[in-house]
Amino acid sequence: QVTLKESGPVLVKPTETLTLTCTVSGFSLSNARMGVSWIRQPPGKALEWLAHISSNDEKSYNTSLKSRLTISKDTSKSQVVLSMTNMDPVDTATYYCARIHSTVTTHLLFDYWGQGTLVTVSS
Amino acid sequence: DIVMTQSPDSLAVSLGERATINCKSSQSVLYSSNNKNYLAWYQQKPGQPPKLLIYWASTRESGVPDRFSGSGSGTDFTLTISSLQAEDVAVYYCQQYYTTPVTFGQGTRLEIK
Repeated sequence: QVTLKESGPVLVKPTETLTLTCTVSGFSLSNARMGVSWIRQPPGKALEWLAHISSNDEKSYNTSLKSRLTISKDTSKSQVVLSMTNMDPVDTATYYCARIHSTVTTHLLFDYWGQGTLVTVSS
Repeated sequence: DIVMTQSPDSLAVSLGERATINCKSSQSVLYSSNNKNYLAWYQQKPGQPPKLLIYWASTRESGVPDRFSGSGSGTDFTLTISSLQAEDVAVYYCQQYYTTPVTFGQGTRLEIK
């Protein structure tokens, strides 16, 4: 059974760095062609892809946020970590991690998602 | 970036009737080398993450009821629910996975009339 679970702070202050962890089970982050992305959704708004890390540690970022994002993984802990610097109230959103589709491994199509974690940026 | 535009923004349909949602991409998401459209549809219910319904524009994900169907090619796509059920009330998003950054439409809210 594939599951993903996000964890991290529910409240951060402006200018602080946000660090979120996605803990996965039911698959291995070292499986060939397997990868995990982070996607966010401001309240009542649309989805925005942030970053992706593949099984061979290749990383890709949304160009509009690239300077603020770092994605990494710890295969032994089955965790993918996202850091976002210089947080602003407009970054208030539910942050999801999602796994790429098991049969479409060359492109970022998502078959399993975590439940998401709401992060509020406020002083 | 490829911009995905959905229409309408919201839709109210009677139970048992057909619901149609459109999605237009700012550039083609059809790969000529394999003749596949890199277009997906997701369903999101309140308080839940998105659920994959359709990929390759018309392939239903395992377990998705056959009242959901996708069509279209190139830049214009449609999600159709043939006979609306109460449990289909949700926001629906299209997504292109042709290139990064992958991008989503703004969503279409589907309600019961």
